[in-house]
Amino acid sequence: NAGVMQNPRHLVRRRGQEARLRCSPMKGHSHVYWYRQLPEEGLKFMVYLQKENIIDESGMPKERFSAEFPKEGPSILRIQQVVRGDSAAYFCASSQQGGGTEAFFGQGTRLTVV
Amino acid sequence: RKEVEQDPGPFNVPEGATVAFNCTYSNSASQSFFWYRQDCRKEPKLLMSVYSSGNEDGRFTAQLNRASQYISLLIRDSKLSDSATYLCVVKWDTGFQKLVFGTGTRLLVSP
Repeated sequence: NAGVMQNPRHLVRRRGQEARLRCSPMKGHSHVYWYRQLPEEGLKFMVYLQKENIIDESGMPKERFSAEFPKEGPSILRIQQVVRGDSAAYFCASSQQGGGTEAFFGQGTRLTVV
Repeated sequence: RKEVEQDPGPFNVPEGATVAFNCTYSNSASQSFFWYRQDCRKEPKLLMSVYSSGNEDGRFTAQLNRASQYISLLIRDSKLSDSATYLCVVKWDTGFQKLVFGTGTRLLVSP
């Protein structure tokens, strides 16, 4: 049973380009969370999704950021027109349906905007 | 007030010491609690869930105080390998299941 898979592990983008980060949850998990971690800072919640639904996007910046979790395929976090301040580690976590279940994290994608 | 608050530390302790971290949360509707561990530049990993009656896993003991809205983690007989950042995590089960992380407490165990 593979864990949460994120790719790419490292992503370098020039300012103004688009970044697409992918997350495949653990088998049997239908809940996905995205978090951002700036250097020397804690994890900041961005968005919580279930299959085909955005449940809570209260942590997402209003512009340039979007997320989806289609019926088939991985969850995608998309950042348009990246800026230097978007450089961070982006972690995805997944959990099973139902309350009280722990979440498991992928290894993260480290985005560097140059 | 932050949703989940932790003392960032660092806590510097010698090997063999006992160290305790506290974490407070603001949402009384919080239902599930966890401690995660994060090593430098790695993903957070679940250390243990926290149950109402308190629970122990080897050298680690977690406690929950719902009345005061805090949870704690006690590490006995600290090892060098315990050096990491410990993240307090609260899950809101009010329809959503949003996981809210504290900013973490850094532990440094020295020889």
